[in-house]
Amino acid sequence: GAGVSQSPSNKVTEKGKDVELRCDPISGHTALYWYRQRLGQGLEFLIYFQGNSAPDKSGLPSDRFSAERTGESVSTLTIQRTQQEDSAVYLCASSLGGGRRSSYNEQFFGPGTRLTVL
Amino acid sequence: AQKVTQAQTEISVVEKEDVTLDCVYETRDTTYYLFWYKQPPSGELVFLIRRNSFDEQNEISGRYSWNFQKSTSSFNFTITASQVVDSAVYFCALSYTGGFKTIFGAGTRLFVKA
Repeated sequence: GAGVSQSPSNKVTEKGKDVELRCDPISGHTALYWYRQRLGQGLEFLIYFQGNSAPDKSGLPSDRFSAERTGESVSTLTIQRTQQEDSAVYLCASSLGGGRRSSYNEQFFGPGTRLTVL
Repeated sequence: AQKVTQAQTEISVVEKEDVTLDCVYETRDTTYYLFWYKQPPSGELVFLIRRNSFDEQNEISGRYSWNFQKSTSSFNFTITASQVVDSAVYFCALSYTGGFKTIFGAGTRLFVKA
């Protein structure tokens, strides 16, 4: 079946502009994660969605970052007034299971969106 | 606090050599899960293995093997007879019941030369 898809694959924007990144999880996966990966570095957790529960936003670095997800479908990550330090690859992942069980399930990752802020 | 440390930033080996990637974790939870993921040059992370905190059995899958030792809080990954296709960044990760975050280590970049 189809894996996790993300769009766009690349995004170049000017400092101060808003950008919107999209993630389509695997059908049936109730959990969805966003991560940021700066060049040559590890994964930085941003936000977690589980079904219709309130998302865990504890990883969002500033109020310029926000994300939405409708039910168990598509998610969008929005970065307002982009800064050069926002340049990174933004990865989306989805997994089965809900609640406490989410931590057990492996995550399936998308190819990422490479964001460059000039 | 939850933490995953991969002290080796980069490792370079020649094909057919064995190589071990280290992972040390910290957690106060008694129930937790450890993972290894592979990120090839194409960029997409791929799940390799999961271990839960109650299962300390080592696991072997082909040329890959994993050594989980709670006494040293380590979950090391060994590739036997490495191949060029093993070149990638490998991430160790930790998650725990009651929490939704997965904590990833910084990754180890493995270069396997022909």
